[in-house]
Amino acid sequence: GENVEQHPSTLSVQEGDSAVIKCTYSDSASNYFPWYKQELGKGPQLIIDIRSNVGEKKDQRIAVTLNKTAKHFSLHITETQPEDSAVYFCAARAGTYKYIFGTGTRLKVLA
Amino acid sequence: GAGVSQTPSNKVTEKGKYVELRCDPISGHTALYWYRQSLGQGPEFLIYFQGTGAADDSGLPNDRFFAVRPEGSVSTLKIQRTERGDSAVYLCASSLSRLWTAQETQYFGPGTRLLVL
Repeated sequence: GENVEQHPSTLSVQEGDSAVIKCTYSDSASNYFPWYKQELGKGPQLIIDIRSNVGEKKDQRIAVTLNKTAKHFSLHITETQPEDSAVYFCAARAGTYKYIFGTGTRLKVLA
Repeated sequence: GAGVSQTPSNKVTEKGKYVELRCDPISGHTALYWYRQSLGQGPEFLIYFQGTGAADDSGLPNDRFFAVRPEGSVSTLKIQRTERGDSAVYLCASSLSRLWTAQETQYFGPGTRLLVL
């Protein structure tokens, strides 16, 4: 069945450094790739997304890249801040509604 | 405006009991999703509603799980004869479901933490 692999499972960076999280998907029909941030006790919140007709998207300190040939996409956070500490999930959607999520990356930004 | 709300925020029950989890989506959102999130895992798709009908319930683990959305707004996830393995956070999300626009964004509720003893 459809699968999304996410790495690393945990990531610690110094404040101000960059963080990169990578995901690989299995369903070549996937067309939409959102990234979510989940803080303790809360539901996931969309931080950035990319569609299959675009290779890269940036929003201030956050960027996402997509390689359709290799079926992988990555989240890049620059100039990390302590408030970036959270669990991040990637997801892939094939068709119109079914989202498959990665297993999450716990990011810790050290002050 | 108000986001997606879920009640109760926490539910402790005994094995074999029946539970109902409620989701109030954002007003006007036609698409509604239920997910289950186990500790250290990503959300796992359970069921998708478009309006009042369950368009896809293929993620429901077995026939003890059932969900309804009778008026196309509030949804209830029902679990019969609960088992310890049902313990998880149950997340609800809604969206306007206008694909390929910014309005397809899923908005998640805070979840209901279910513990089956």
